[in-house]
Amino acid sequence: EIVLTQFPATLSLSPGERATLSCRASQSVDSDLAWYQQRPGQPPRLLMYDVSKRATGIPARFSGSGSGTDFTLTITSLEPEDFSVYYCQHRSDWPLTFGGGTKVERK
Amino acid sequence: QVQVVQSGGGLVKPGGSLRLSCVASGFTFSETYMNWIRQAPGKGLEWVGQISSGGYVTFYGDSVKGRFTVSRDNAKNSVFLHMNGLRVDDTAVYYCARDPHMGGLVTNYFDSWGQGALVTVSS
Repeated sequence: EIVLTQFPATLSLSPGERATLSCRASQSVDSDLAWYQQRPGQPPRLLMYDVSKRATGIPARFSGSGSGTDFTLTITSLEPEDFSVYYCQHRSDWPLTFGGGTKVERK
Repeated sequence: QVQVVQSGGGLVKPGGSLRLSCVASGFTFSETYMNWIRQAPGKGLEWVGQISSGGYVTFYGDSVKGRFTVSRDNAKNSVFLHMNGLRVDDTAVYYCARDPHMGGLVTNYFDSWGQGALVTVSS
């Protein structure tokens, strides 16, 4: 099983600041990685797929980078609605797995 | 628009069984792979299982293999999660989610999610 480790566990930032979230895979997943946002009480929402492609309706302040084992989700300027938990997920092999999540909280 | 509406869930004793349902609309269900994902209280996401568009191929996570079964009824735009031998650590919110099939291909990502159904396993 491919283990995805996300860090930091919590990111404390203010609106307008830049957020940088990391996801590290226990073995290469090539570019087979997605990011999801989950707001409290809601199901997750697909943000990015294949590392750097934005899903439908996702604003340009979200971007993804990386390949192989190290990946980054960047939010260039945090909006109030961006304070959420973010998960990475790979599709490289069975079973599909998620990272443990990074909570972006308001400072 | 795309909608995925879940039903089922509830309290069940250890060793018991339960079936979750999911009805989809707004897309060609019979051509779409579907998945189940769960989230234990206060925890992260765990992929549970997947069923192919025709229902002939399924994959499962290791923790549920042999106990859970995913099935579908394309005539009713529905997908089901049959859970047997439930354990306390199966307590979670269960989501069904669509594969987005980008470029007509299965992606093994999840782009439209149901609202979730809470399953509590407790004596």
